[in-house]
Amino acid sequence: GAVVSQHPSRVICKSGTSVKIECRSLDFQATTMFWYRQFPKQSLMLMATSNEGSKATYEQGVEKDKFLINHASLTLSTLTVTSAHPEDSSFYICSARANTGTASNEKLFFGSGTQLSVL
Amino acid sequence: AQKVTQAQTEISVVEKEDVTLDCVYETRDTTYYLFWYKQPPSGELVFLIRRNSFDEQNEISGRYSWNFQKSTSSFNFTITASQVVDSAVYFCALSEIRIIGSARQLTFGSGTQLTVLP
Repeated sequence: GAVVSQHPSRVICKSGTSVKIECRSLDFQATTMFWYRQFPKQSLMLMATSNEGSKATYEQGVEKDKFLINHASLTLSTLTVTSAHPEDSSFYICSARANTGTASNEKLFFGSGTQLSVL
Repeated sequence: AQKVTQAQTEISVVEKEDVTLDCVYETRDTTYYLFWYKQPPSGELVFLIRRNSFDEQNEISGRYSWNFQKSTSSFNFTITASQVVDSAVYFCALSEIRIIGSARQLTFGSGTQLTVLP
């Protein structure tokens, strides 16, 4: 079945550094990818929708300059947390939409997530 | 606006008991998708089921079953004869159905932490 690979699975960084998280669709092309953030024991909150070849669409309250999203190819989207601070520590998870030609067969596949800890 | 409510924050059961996880949703759309995902301690999301709003047939898959009641906007999930490996956070989610090529987002409930005790 379709697989979405997300790396790294865990990252620890110092405050002020930038961290890049990659989300790859391994055996399908994904024109749309989604980035979610999950705080401990809470639900997944959509941060932004990443569209191949165009600018990402950010949800209200998400700083686009803080969370840079690049979707340069049909199989790769990256999320860069710039100048990370302890409050950015969270679990980030991506999902990719597989297009099969019909809306009824469209499916979303999730990456395994990235646990970011900012010291 | 869409909203998914999972009123049960945490549930604990003893192995072999049946357990039902509740999900209530709100949407203005007449057609939509409903999902259940499992999130084990490792963090990844495991897809369990997707249901179209125009298909109200209940579904059974092994020990899992889903009860979709459009009249009450509920999509409840039952695990029969629960096992320790079922321990996880379970999320209910809602997605609108749009034309092909249009981005579609999932709205997640807050999740239910299920603990199955041996």
